[in-house]
Amino acid sequence: DAGITQSPRHKVTETGTPVTLRCHQTENHRYMYWYRQDPGHGLRLIHYSYGVKDTDKGEVSDGYSVSRSKTEDFLLTLESATSSQTSVYFCAISVQGPGELFFGEGSRLTVL
Amino acid sequence: DQQVKQNSPSLSVQEGRISILNCDYTNSMFDYFLWYKKYPAEGPTFLISISSIKDKNEDGRFTVFLNKSAKHLSLHIVPSQPGDSAVYFCAASGMNRDDKIIFGKGTRLHILP
Repeated sequence: DAGITQSPRHKVTETGTPVTLRCHQTENHRYMYWYRQDPGHGLRLIHYSYGVKDTDKGEVSDGYSVSRSKTEDFLLTLESATSSQTSVYFCAISVQGPGELFFGEGSRLTVL
Repeated sequence: DQQVKQNSPSLSVQEGRISILNCDYTNSMFDYFLWYKKYPAEGPTFLISISSIKDKNEDGRFTVFLNKSAKHLSLHIVPSQPGDSAVYFCAASGMNRDDKIIFGKGTRLHILP
C-alpha cells in the first residue's frame, strides 16, 4: 500500500519567516502534488512534480517553491510566510488511473 | 475562473434516503471525473471515478452519472448511512498522468438520523 508521511503535522510561525513542509512517500511513485485546503475554496493545487527535479506550477503557486531531489521526497517551501498562507496543506501521490490520488494526512500551518 | 464547480456548500439527507451531490465543469477537454470524500482532520480519499466516454459508473452504494452535453456530473449514494457524513469533492483530470487535477470547492453532506 502507498504510504505518505507529512511533516510537521502542525506548525505555528510568524509572518516573514521561512517554512518548509516535507512529504515523504514509501514507494517510488513518480507523480507528487501539493494542495492547500481553505474554507470556501476547496482544494487548490500549488505545485506538482512528475519526477526528480521535474516540477510545475499549479493554480496558486505564488509565494511557494518546491524541490524534489529524490523520488521519495517532495518539499514545499514558503520563503517568507504571510498570514494568507495559513492553511492545511496536503501532499498527494498518483497511484493508479488519471486523477486518482492518495493523500497524506495534512500539515496545518498557522502564520501569525 | 473556476473549472470545476460545486454550487451547494452543504446538503442534509435523512438516513436511508438517497443523497445526490452535483458538480459542473467548464472545460470540455477533461477526460476523467472523480469524487473524493474527506473526514475532518484526515486527507481526502478517492471514492469513484468515471471516464468521459461513459455516462454511468457504479460501485456498491455509489453511482456517478455524467452528462457531457450539460457538462454536469452527479454522485448518488443509496441508501445514505451515518458514515457518509463528510465533505465530498468533485475533481477533473485529463487522460495523461501529468495533467493537472482540478478540484471543486466541496459539498458538506450531513446524514440525519
